Parts: sequence; C-alpha cells; structure tokens
Amino acid sequence: DIQMTQSPSSLSASIGDRITITCRASQSLSRSLNWYQQKPGQAPNVLIYAASRLPTGVPSRFSGSGSGTDFTLTISSLQPEDFATYYCQQTYSTPLTFGGGTKVEIK
Amino acid sequence: EVKLVESGGGLVKPGGSLRLSCAASGISLFHGWVNWVRQAPGKGLEWVGRIKSIPDGGTTDYASPVKDRFTISRDASRDTLYLEMKSLKSDDTAVYYCCRAVQGVDDYGEGVWHFDLWGRGTLVTVSS
Repeated sequence: DIQMTQSPSSLSASIGDRITITCRASQSLSRSLNWYQQKPGQAPNVLIYAASRLPTGVPSRFSGSGSGTDFTLTISSLQPEDFATYYCQQTYSTPLTFGGGTKVEIK
Repeated sequence: EVKLVESGGGLVKPGGSLRLSCAASGISLFHGWVNWVRQAPGKGLEWVGRIKSIPDGGTTDYASPVKDRFTISRDASRDTLYLEMKSLKSDDTAVYYCCRAVQGVDDYGEGVWHFDLWGRGTLVTVSS
C-alpha cells in the first residue's frame, strides 16, 4: 500500500498569510495526487487534482505543485473561509490512500 | 441540483450487519465509478472501496480492513449503490460517504482520478 505522509498536522496562521502544506508518498505517484478541503460537519471538497489542476470554482489563491513523491499545497493569502482541514489523496493505485490531514487554525 | 444522498446508517451491535445506500439526484451513476470513504469521529479520511461503472465492468476493490466483510454493489434499475457491511466491529464506527470519481488530465495529458462529488454522509455506530 502507498503511504501518504502529510505535514504539518496542524498550523496556526493569520488572515493574509501564505501557507504551504506538504505531502510525501512512499512511492512515485507521477501526478496522481489530489487535495481536499474539509470544514467541520461537512463532506470534503476537491481543491486540486492531478497535482496542480484547479477545478472550476476553486479560487486562484490555491495552488498545487509536485510530482513523483513530493507535493505541496499553497494558499497564497489565507482568507477566513480557508480555516479548515486539508487532506492529500493518491489515486495512483488501490488501495487509494489519504494523508493524515492538516488542520489550519486562526492565530 | 446534482447530489449524492447516503442513507441507512444507525446503531448496530458488534458482529451485526447494516446496509447503506447511495442515491443520486440530478445525475445518473450508470457511468460512474463510485467510492465509499469513511471518517471515524475526530479522525481522518479512510477509503473503504469502490465499484467501477457498468460499462467498465462493474468490478469492485476494497481496503484491507473491510475486505471479506463489506460488499459494494449497484442496482442499475434504481440507479443506486449499496455498501453491505457485516461482522461489524467498533472500529467501523464512522461517517460513511459515497463519492463519485471522475478522470481529469494532468499537465502531460495523463488521466488522473479524483472525487468530484460527495454525499453528506451517514453515521454508523457500532456499540453494544
């Protein structure tokens, strides 16, 4: 099984900050890496797919990069609605696996 | 409105069984690859399994913790997916989401799956 290691597990930041979350896979994924945002009591929503693609409707302050085993999610200017938990996910092979999550809190 | 709706959750005793349903509104799941993902209270996301679309053979894959205990199936006539769970354990306590997988392309034109549509989830509690 492919293990996904996300860091940090939590972070505190202020409105307007630039933040970066990293995800490392135990083997190469090419670009089969997705990022999801989950707010309390809600289902996750896809933010980034195929490592760097933004779905329609996702604000451009979100960006993704990486390939192979190392990936990053960047929020260029944190907004109040961005305080949530973020998960990476590999869809390179089954079993599909998620990272442990990064909780972004208000400083 | 396009959405997925899960139902069938509830309280069940250890060793018991439960069947969850996933119905679509505004879309058809006939061509969809549908996954089940669960989230234990206060924990992260865990993939449970998937069923491929009918045109792609309708086969299933499962995560190791649920293999041989959970079965995903579909009723094409009702356009509904099911997650049949048996021999339930306390570790199976979670919110269960059904989600549709779609294939996009990366910067090099390679297909990459992601989950673009999620239901709101249904809570399964396994407790005596």
